[in-house]
Amino acid sequence: NAGVTQTPKFQVLKTGQSMTLQCAQDMNHNSMYWYRQDPGMGLRLIYYSASEGTTDKGEVPNGYNVSRLNKREFSLRLESAAPSQTSVYFCASSVEPQRGNEQFFGPGTRLTVL
Amino acid sequence: SQQGEEDPQALSIQEGENATMNCSYKTSINNLQWYRQNSGRGLVHLILIRSNEREKHSGRLRVTLDTSKKSSSLLITASRAADTASYFCALGDTPLVFGKGTRLSVIA
Repeated sequence: NAGVTQTPKFQVLKTGQSMTLQCAQDMNHNSMYWYRQDPGMGLRLIYYSASEGTTDKGEVPNGYNVSRLNKREFSLRLESAAPSQTSVYFCASSVEPQRGNEQFFGPGTRLTVL
Repeated sequence: SQQGEEDPQALSIQEGENATMNCSYKTSINNLQWYRQNSGRGLVHLILIRSNEREKHSGRLRVTLDTSKKSSSLLITASRAADTASYFCALGDTPLVFGKGTRLSVIA
């Protein structure tokens, strides 16, 4: 099992460009999450999907959109990138979002917006 | 959703010493999890402790939970250079909320 995979690993964008970060999991998990991690800020939840067909906003959703394409895949889209979106993005999955569920993380995507 | 607060923010110890880091929170929880993040990598789950548990062990890891003080501690015994990482507590809300972490440096 590959676990949680993310593509790309690195990306440089210019302000105003758009891109989609891809995430896939092969553990048959119901729930998937997108976080961003900035120095000294810990992980902040952008969006999550408790189950296929549902998505909910997290702490910092502005400037992002998500799509739960199927049970395996959860993508994050930046429509018009801004320098403030320079960060490391992590995707994670869990069996379900309810209390007591371990989350499994992908390796991250390092995004720089110039 | 509440966020746990780790303390200290950074910790530097010699190999072989024990490392203790703490997590405090404000309102009651059902469980608390600890994760490790090696530099440049994703987080890895270490241990989960439920509100009706006081202590759990996993190898060289010992986690305690004091619900009356609303705090948890993670103890790493006989630390190794490979334990150098950031450690996060996560509160079992829906969804999980992560603290800002403790950066542990183990010097060989």
